[in-house]
Amino acid sequence: QLVLTQSPSASASLGASVKLTCTLSSGHSSYAIAWHQQQPEKGPRYLMKLNSDGSHSKGDGIPDRFSGSSSGAERYLTISSLQSEDEADYYCQTWGTGIHWVFGGGTKLTVL
Amino acid sequence: QVQLQESGPGLVKPSETLSLTCTVSGGSVSSGSYYWSWIRQPPGKGLEWIGYIYYSGSTNYNPSLKSRVTISVDTSKNQFSLKLSSVTAADTAVYYCARREDIGDVWGQGTTVTVSS
Repeated sequence: QLVLTQSPSASASLGASVKLTCTLSSGHSSYAIAWHQQQPEKGPRYLMKLNSDGSHSKGDGIPDRFSGSSSGAERYLTISSLQSEDEADYYCQTWGTGIHWVFGGGTKLTVL
Repeated sequence: QVQLQESGPGLVKPSETLSLTCTVSGGSVSSGSYYWSWIRQPPGKGLEWIGYIYYSGSTNYNPSLKSRVTISVDTSKNQFSLKLSSVTAADTAVYYCARREDIGDVWGQGTTVTVSS
């Protein structure tokens, strides 16, 4: 069964960097994912598509501070130079044809 | 630039069918290799994928909802729609429509649907 696992919460200081993790279930380590951001009281915003080789394509207007990388079954979202507006929920979602597009449970990022 | 806008009743009675429409502007529902999808978010919870329809007409639904869900496209109105039958209070959520293509996703703003008598 295709499952994406995310830590429920993360925190980092203003101006620092943070790395969020999304883990694909066993047997699905080659899958691409998407990262989405949901700021408080807003709808989700697409950040990027992240492939298993670490290549990624970001959405329009997404700052260079947001980057993605991959290692095995893990997909990472790194946010550098954290700003207050980065405080949000971050969701990963599977990407591919003929598969179910499940979401991870989301990570709530707090900027200290 | 494509924009998506959800619309439909904000209140639905239990056991009835929830019907929502997503109007697409700045692009066509019948062109390109696009996936048109629906996602929902119950109050205070995470995102749940409902399903998608490909521009060719093929569909793919969340197994947990498959028996109650229909997603279709109306090319004459440049819209796609969601029907969810036999709703209960557990279907209360913000419902989002979205478009996926190889280079990325576009989300609608969402619409709140409450299931209550």
